[in-house]
Amino acid sequence: EAQVTQNPRYLITVTGKKLTVTCSQNMNHEYMSWYRQDPGLGLRQIYYSMNVEVTDKGDVPEGYKVSRKEKRNFPLILESPSPNQTSLYFCASSLRSQNYEQYFGPGTRLTVT
Amino acid sequence: AQSVTQLDSQVPVFEEAPVELRCNYSSSVSVYLFWYVQYPNQGLQLLLKYLSGSTLVKGINGFEAEFNKSQTSFHLRKPSVHISDTAEYFCAVSWPYNTDKLIFGTGTRLQVFP
Repeated sequence: EAQVTQNPRYLITVTGKKLTVTCSQNMNHEYMSWYRQDPGLGLRQIYYSMNVEVTDKGDVPEGYKVSRKEKRNFPLILESPSPNQTSLYFCASSLRSQNYEQYFGPGTRLTVT
Repeated sequence: AQSVTQLDSQVPVFEEAPVELRCNYSSSVSVYLFWYVQYPNQGLQLLLKYLSGSTLVKGINGFEAEFNKSQTSFHLRKPSVHISDTAEYFCAVSWPYNTDKLIFGTGTRLQVFP
């Protein structure tokens, strides 16, 4: 089954404790992206990647890191999480030629206390 | 600056009634337009898209949207909603010259009552 998977689905952590949210897709998509969803703000792009070893900042990249060492994986790293990073995070992937048609993962709800 | 505006944060409607969810965009150049739907506790999925051609676009689950260039709008409509249409709906815009960028509106929560 074609899908985007994220782990964990739920995470509660404390300020400053490094964490990684994994994202994997099995559709051989070149393009992958991370979004955060906050009430009243919709989805905002954090980082995106057009292919292996190619990443770029989205609209709200501060406090996040990403890497794209393999085509299927695109982990999101929070080196020192803060409470304002409490949010619902989505990973998405698409073909490079049609990256407006993105396939979303189920989401990761992160709470930073 | 390019942006997408969804004026209605919530739209309550009774089952079998028609519904329209509004979306306006701001762009000085040609755009691609999309509606995504997010069912409870799920990720987003593409409902329909406008790239070019006919301004009336049909999507899944009986939804359709009309691109109006003069009014810079892309409103989503359904003639008769079902309980299962309860979800959050996001309008999004991209550009032919820069499809790396996909900007979402703030979303409209459609609540269908029996």
